[in-house]
Amino acid sequence: LAKTTQPISMDSYEGQEVNITCSHNNIATNDYITWYQQFPSQGPRFIIQGYKTKVTNEVASLFIPADRKSSTLSLPRVSLSDTAVYYCLVGNTNAGKSTFGDGTTLTVKP
Amino acid sequence: EAGVTQFPSHSVIEKGQTVTLRCDPISGHDNLYWYRRVMGKEIKFLLHFVKESKQDESGMPNNRFLAERTGGTYSTLKVQPAELEDSGVYFCASSQTAAGGLRKETQYFGPGTRLLVL
Repeated sequence: LAKTTQPISMDSYEGQEVNITCSHNNIATNDYITWYQQFPSQGPRFIIQGYKTKVTNEVASLFIPADRKSSTLSLPRVSLSDTAVYYCLVGNTNAGKSTFGDGTTLTVKP
Repeated sequence: EAGVTQFPSHSVIEKGQTVTLRCDPISGHDNLYWYRRVMGKEIKFLLHFVKESKQDESGMPNNRFLAERTGGTYSTLKVQPAELEDSGVYFCASSQTAAGGLRKETQYFGPGTRLLVL
């Protein structure tokens, strides 16, 4: 499974746009990129998934360059409640284990 | 639609005792996973059920851990005998099999069971 590298932590302020980049240099042709969010005392929660270019949903956008060796999760206008750990996962099977890295701890300040 | 539920939410036991964790997946989800996070470490995969069959149990740490999913519905994870290093948070997740292709399916996680072995 492709290994991912993310910043350990990031700080932001309410109302700002936050971009978290994940490196996955060994991503395989069939791999998809998935981001999860985890609040304290809760399980990880799916945010967004993509294969290439750009994906947008009601929560976030995911930007994937042509070489797919990295991806950027974009959170528009964050609020205090977006303070959480964000995980970038790369997987190439329809159904199979997810491999979590250390994640990025995002702290949103007032 | 109810999400993934886990029971108990917390468990404190002594070394050498037995603990059984339960996971109820989202109704209709054939895939059920167990993960755990031990102190200071990342979330690690334990095993994967497809219905009642073990698809992948490569992450099970040793034979003190036994997972079952009788009837392909809820699952239990038993630790016997528990050791200090088993302390951590045990997560369960479930998913449907994505229709067609190699798309990675979305896994829905439960809130976890916090296990403390003294």
